[in-house]
Amino acid sequence: DTEVTQTPKHLVMGMTNKKSLKCEQHMGHRAMYWYKQKAKKPPELMFVYSYEKLSINESVPSRFSPECPNSSLLNLHLHALQPEDSALYLCASSQSWGGSSGYTFGSGTRLTVV
Amino acid sequence: GNSVTQMEGPVTLSEEAFLTINCTYTATGYPSLFWYVQYPGEGLQLLLKATKADDKGSNKGFEATYRKETTSFHLEKGSVQVSDSAVYFCALSVVHTGNQFYFGTGTSLTVIP
Repeated sequence: DTEVTQTPKHLVMGMTNKKSLKCEQHMGHRAMYWYKQKAKKPPELMFVYSYEKLSINESVPSRFSPECPNSSLLNLHLHALQPEDSALYLCASSQSWGGSSGYTFGSGTRLTVV
Repeated sequence: GNSVTQMEGPVTLSEEAFLTINCTYTATGYPSLFWYVQYPGEGLQLLLKATKADDKGSNKGFEATYRKETTSFHLEKGSVQVSDSAVYFCALSVVHTGNQFYFGTGTSLTVIP
């Protein structure tokens, strides 16, 4: 298995909703990442997990809450989002933090906040 | 610091034309260099990589050579196809800093029949 699987592919949520994005990989990678990508822009790093521990939080608002239940799973819990949070959310993984071997990206969750 | 400067787009080419997308970088330490491709509505796919100076990465007819002397990693393809229409991102990762990727701004390529 050489993929990162993200679910759901599309999500529409209201500003008072609570939802979760899921990411899964079975490549034995020990680093996992959440990125946010706006249209026509490069991905922006949100969080880094290394060996299931949160290593980087790029000053992300608390309405985004990451969770790494085990080495294969990464979740992003969403609560009280704003319309400007609408974006493509990408999960990625790499063998280890630093990624000299490259990151494997999922196909993303396209989130719309209404 | 670490950064990637990528050729501005959008780029429009006819099928079978030659493609070059320029990418230059600044880095502390010893960077690995990457090209990622993003097709419409999809995530990023690793297209090719090079981990040390003079390495050439290649995949699907695309090539890029890690040039330390000019701090460049230009992407080339001899004959583009309509299916190559996508956004291309140059990126670097600096080994041993435990840091994240640094992405370029992306170059949108449209290939017309």
